[in-house]
Amino acid sequence: GENVEQHPSTLSVQEGDSAVIKCTYSDSASNYFPWYKQELGKRPQLIIDIRSNVGEKKDQRIAVTLNKTAKHFSLHITETQPEDSAVYFCAASARSASKIIFGSGTRLSIRP
Amino acid sequence: DTEVTQTPKHLVMGMTNKKSLKCEQHMGHRAMYWYKQKAKKPPELMFVYSYEKLSINESVPSRFSPECPNSSLLNLHLHALQPEDSALYLCASSQELTGGVDEQFFGPGTRLTVL
Repeated sequence: GENVEQHPSTLSVQEGDSAVIKCTYSDSASNYFPWYKQELGKRPQLIIDIRSNVGEKKDQRIAVTLNKTAKHFSLHITETQPEDSAVYFCAASARSASKIIFGSGTRLSIRP
Repeated sequence: DTEVTQTPKHLVMGMTNKKSLKCEQHMGHRAMYWYKQKAKKPPELMFVYSYEKLSINESVPSRFSPECPNSSLLNLHLHALQPEDSALYLCASSQELTGGVDEQFFGPGTRLTVL
């Protein structure tokens, strides 16, 4: 079955700098890659997702890149702000599957 | 309405109690999910319902019993739980599963403590 690995587990960046979180997946049939943000005590919320027919997607300060050959995908947050502090989860899902497989999470802290 | 709601927000129960968690969505979604989340861990899938039928049971112990009375409601019945079952229980929904998973919308969760 699918296995998703996520790095780093914790990340601290200066406010205004960029943050990058990386994930790898094992199932070459995976075609949907969402990223969820979970603030302390809150529900996970989708912040961006990408499908395997595109290599990059941007939404304001957030971008996701996908390398299908290497089975890597990454989240890029630019001009980080205090409200970006949260746990971020990557995930992957195959077209034939009825579930998404989560990575282990990255705790992002933004230093003022 | 673009939200998934869950009740109760908090639940404390003894190991001999029977309780139920409730989840509701009015987005017309036909796939609904139960997840269990321990502190500092990702959500762990328990059950998936598609068109009100159970499609995935991730080998969950029988002390957890899901029920989908209609397309908007999802329940999780709890009986004879153990202290290690204490966790945040999240419900989620997505449009449908034909052609694969789409965006999942999560509820706020029920924080369960088993004494």
